[in-house]
Amino acid sequence: EVQLVESGGGLVQPGRSLKLSCAASGFTFSNYYMAWVRQAPKKGLEWVATISTSGSRTYYPDSVKGRFTISRDNAKSSLYLQMNSLKSEDTATYYCARLGAGSSWFAYWGQGTLVTVSS
Amino acid sequence: DIQMTQSPSFLSASVGDRVTINCKASQNINKYLDWYQQKLGEAPKLLIYNTNSLHTGIPSRFSGSGSGTDFTLTISSLQPEDVATYFCLQHNSGWTFGGGTKLELK
Repeated sequence: EVQLVESGGGLVQPGRSLKLSCAASGFTFSNYYMAWVRQAPKKGLEWVATISTSGSRTYYPDSVKGRFTISRDNAKSSLYLQMNSLKSEDTATYYCARLGAGSSWFAYWGQGTLVTVSS
Repeated sequence: DIQMTQSPSFLSASVGDRVTINCKASQNINKYLDWYQQKLGEAPKLLIYNTNSLHTGIPSRFSGSGSGTDFTLTISSLQPEDVATYFCLQHNSGWTFGGGTKLELK
């Protein structure tokens, strides 16, 4: 069974940094692209970052490019999201997702971790 | 950037009804359109990928159709457990979600 468990969320002040983690199990982690998707309170879904199987390629929307960094450790079956220069509009539940074949759909999702950016 | 326009935003239907939800892309996305279901307080769950492929374990009352810029999710006979918000996602160029459709029972 595919399992994705996020951690690292919490309350952080504007301008500060936070690092999220996602522990994966139930599949061969190194074979799949991975991603982060977020959802602001009572809002829709927004793609945040995607990383290739080896970690050599990363993709971001303009809203987080230059502030967020996605990375992975295939030996530990873990995914990370380093978030710098946080803004109030980054407040959201952050979901870790495993993609399907290649760079494609979000096949499986974790339960999410809440990040609140507030002074 | 590709924009995804989902309609309607809100839908009320009765058990047994046939329900359709639409998604329109701002440009051609070929077949690269997926549908997700999110129940209250839960993470999203994949229903359909690449327009019409049913994800593992998803009931056959869910189906998808379309191509190019116009896509549809159909629930052939609405069940109480289908109450949720539904999102479309394009993955032809980057990833962009539609705004969501909240489905409730009448």
